[in-house]
Amino acid sequence: SQQGEEDPQALSIQEGENATMNCSYKTSINNLQWYRQNSGRGLVHLILIRSNEREKHSGRLRVTLDTSKKSSSLLITASRAADTASYFCATDAWAGGFKTIFGAGTRLFVKA
Amino acid sequence: NAGVTQTPKFRVLKTGQSMTLLCAQDMNHEYMYWYRQDPGMGLRLIHYSVGEGTTAKGEVPDGYNVSRLKKQNFLLGLESAAPSQTSVYFCASSWTALYGYTFGSGTRLTVV
Repeated sequence: SQQGEEDPQALSIQEGENATMNCSYKTSINNLQWYRQNSGRGLVHLILIRSNEREKHSGRLRVTLDTSKKSSSLLITASRAADTASYFCATDAWAGGFKTIFGAGTRLFVKA
Repeated sequence: NAGVTQTPKFRVLKTGQSMTLLCAQDMNHEYMYWYRQDPGMGLRLIHYSVGEGTTAKGEVPDGYNVSRLKKQNFLLGLESAAPSQTSVYFCASSWTALYGYTFGSGTRLTVV
């Protein structure tokens, strides 16, 4: 089973609205990362939040981390059509060395 | 431009054929990874390397081999391709396991 699982699987909103995606994980982590993938392209790193941090901002992105609930959320404010992409959370897991494990992703569609 | 370069971008193989996917990075990263991405499965780690001359198995290593003879290159080999290996393959690199990954643009492989 996946270490990180995103919710919802798909999200469709109007341009200008906020988009919230959630990620839950099972085991203790060192940090959690969010990535974006445009159709047919590689993943692009958006933001990293460490286990001792609760909130982090980067432009229109806001990430929260609740280690007691083993969950994280990614908020994109004032969404744009260009934000249409899949968003993945990635968590570190210890398995004979730290490895980053990706969830299945949330597909976001922003309608102009 | 600095980054991760994957070749080829597309390939069609017949069952039983062999091929090598090449990944090159020019950021002097120690860590390199090979992932496969299948619909609804997220990214799954095939093999990874923590430095020149080292390799280690990931989550789904069967049917693949890798080599890291030079720090900047990480090769993924399929000795006898099977239809189950039809997927999109991504290479990534990072300074350490704790920092954001830089991904290549992917190789779409179809095995018929």
